[in-house]
Amino acid sequence: GAVVSQHPSWVICKSGTSVKIECRSLDFQATTMFWYRQFPKQSLMLMATSNEGSKATYEQGVEKDKFLINHASLTLSTLTVTSAHPEDSSFYICSAATGTGAYQPQHFGDGTRLSIL
Amino acid sequence: AQSVTQLGSHVSVSEGALVLLRCNYSSSVPPYLFWYVQYPNQGLQLLLKYTTGATLVKGINGFEAEFKKSETSFHLTKPSAHMSDAAEYFCAVSSQGAQKLVFGQGTRLTINP
Repeated sequence: GAVVSQHPSWVICKSGTSVKIECRSLDFQATTMFWYRQFPKQSLMLMATSNEGSKATYEQGVEKDKFLINHASLTLSTLTVTSAHPEDSSFYICSAATGTGAYQPQHFGDGTRLSIL
Repeated sequence: AQSVTQLGSHVSVSEGALVLLRCNYSSSVPPYLFWYVQYPNQGLQLLLKYTTGATLVKGINGFEAEFKKSETSFHLTKPSAHMSDAAEYFCAVSSQGAQKLVFGQGTRLTINP
């Protein structure tokens, strides 16, 4: 149980294009989803917390207009990297919690490797 | 503010040997503690968690961890390492009222045959 699917797993695109990444909870409803960025050989950096039906809460230093997050249903959140540039290349990972309690673990997708040429 | 420190960015053990991955946390309120494992080019998989109750927590794949409040630690252990245990391990903390996780820097575990 508690499976999170992330798509695509790998994307390469030209600089200036926008890329959408989907995160789905397959067997549970996720009121809250999280988006992380991970640089090579580093830990996960939280970018934003996504709540169904409301605006995402972004961490300090994360550009809201660059990283658009939509959480339209209890099973789907999307991250759109707008006008992507080479410095946006990274490994992006989403997670979802089965409830709102801090004691409940987050369940992670398999990540999306984004390469901007 | 919460923080997590994992001592040792790289740990190497022989197959069959004890695995010990260290995690210390800082939190002004009772913490919830988690260990996750990440295999190359994949997301994170939950190994175990401590919320309340018994301080010795057993997880998947033979791993366990002990919450020691006096030492602010949550070290991960496994009695006998397998080659398949080679991966990156992350310790993370959250607390009541703050669902987001704070991760440690990660420890890369290498298993020598």
